[in-house]
Amino acid sequence: SAVISQKPSRDICQRGTSLTIQCQVDSQVTMMFWYRQQPGQSLTLIATANQGSEATYESGFVIDKFPISRPNLTFSTLTVSNMSPEDSSIYLCSVEYLTPDTQYFGPGTRLTVL
Amino acid sequence: GQQLNQSPQSMFIQEGEDVSMNCTSSSIFNTWLWYKQEPGEGPVLLIALYKAGELTSNGRLTAQFGITRKDSFLNISASIPSDVGIYFCAGHINAGGTSYGKLTFGQGTILTVHP
Repeated sequence: SAVISQKPSRDICQRGTSLTIQCQVDSQVTMMFWYRQQPGQSLTLIATANQGSEATYESGFVIDKFPISRPNLTFSTLTVSNMSPEDSSIYLCSVEYLTPDTQYFGPGTRLTVL
Repeated sequence: GQQLNQSPQSMFIQEGEDVSMNCTSSSIFNTWLWYKQEPGEGPVLLIALYKAGELTSNGRLTAQFGITRKDSFLNISASIPSDVGIYFCAGHINAGGTSYGKLTFGQGTILTVHP
């Protein structure tokens, strides 16, 4: 499987600030995804980030709140903007690698908003 | 949104026991995936299933893609303490013969293994 890293691994942020999370893959991949996992919950897809096009957001998630960049086939960023305590979650990136419909996940970024 | 019903929600078992968990949906799936998530980590892919009826093993783990394409199960044989974690099923819903890109997740099964 592809090796996926995320930075930062965790952070504690103040209300009203923004945090940019980086996702780096050791192989070129077409499809990258960003998920949110709220405490004690399952994973919810935020958006799909394909290189060369704008990210596609799921219902309930908007670009102003979660802007995404995908400058090349190995890297993506997710920004959590104007944060509130409700944004405290684990944010995970994943990639579709080698086999269609099969996703591999990064280690996650644990965000706490005070 | 689309729902995957995963059961049981949690299991408390003794080391050495076998474990079984399953996921069902009212929708037809093209793919079933089983992940394990340990504290502080991202989900790790355990088994991927791509065809109805497919039965696949990975060590002590066995998973099957239901023949109706609306369900899947995961079995763990002879559990050990390091099997502790949250197990998620996930899949791609069939949309007119192709996969709807969104990966839908079950609610997770929390497994505790007592030595």
